[in-house]
Amino acid sequence: DIQLTQSPSFLSASVGDRVTITCRASQGISSYLAWYQQKPGKAPKLLIYAASTLQSGVPSRFSGSGSGTEFTLTISSLQPEDFATYYCQQLNSYPPWTFGPGTKVDIK
Amino acid sequence: EVQLVESGGGLVQPGGSLRLSCAASGFTFSSYSMNWVRQAPGKGLEWVSYISSSSSTIYYADSVKGRFTISRDNAKNSLYLQMNSLRAEDTAVYYCARAVTEDRHDYGADYWGQGTLVTVSS
Repeated sequence: DIQLTQSPSFLSASVGDRVTITCRASQGISSYLAWYQQKPGKAPKLLIYAASTLQSGVPSRFSGSGSGTEFTLTISSLQPEDFATYYCQQLNSYPPWTFGPGTKVDIK
Repeated sequence: EVQLVESGGGLVQPGGSLRLSCAASGFTFSSYSMNWVRQAPGKGLEWVSYISSSSSTIYYADSVKGRFTISRDNAKNSLYLQMNSLRAEDTAVYYCARAVTEDRHDYGADYWGQGTLVTVSS
């Protein structure tokens, strides 16, 4: 099975900061990677799919890049509503379609 | 407006069974693949199961294979998860989620329900 790691697992940042989260896959997954945002007590929200395609309605300060085994999610200017936990998910050809362990973004 | 509403969660004893339902509205349910994803209390997300739009393709996570059964009724716009032989480690919020599919490949889940809590405990 393909394993995903995320770094950092926790980051503390201020409003306006540029934030980058990395997701690494244990083997190549082409561009079959999605990013989600989850706030406490809420369902996850799709931000990015196919590694770099912004989901409709998601602010343009979110962007994704990468292919193969290394991917990044960037928030260009952190907003108060962006404090949340972020997960990557790989959707390579066959399941299991594993999630990364998550990165919690907290207020500095 | 796309809506997914789960139901059927609750407290069940180890070894027991439960059937979760997910009622879909606001889109052509029969055109979309669907997933179940769960989240144990204070933990991360775990993909559980997938069913294609016509039910022709079904997948399970190893952790539930042989115990859980996913199904759907396109006439009723509903998705189901039959859970048997439940264990304490199955305790989680269970979400149904609509798949994003392009060129016959799935790229994630764009709409999620609010989740239903399943607690397995004696």
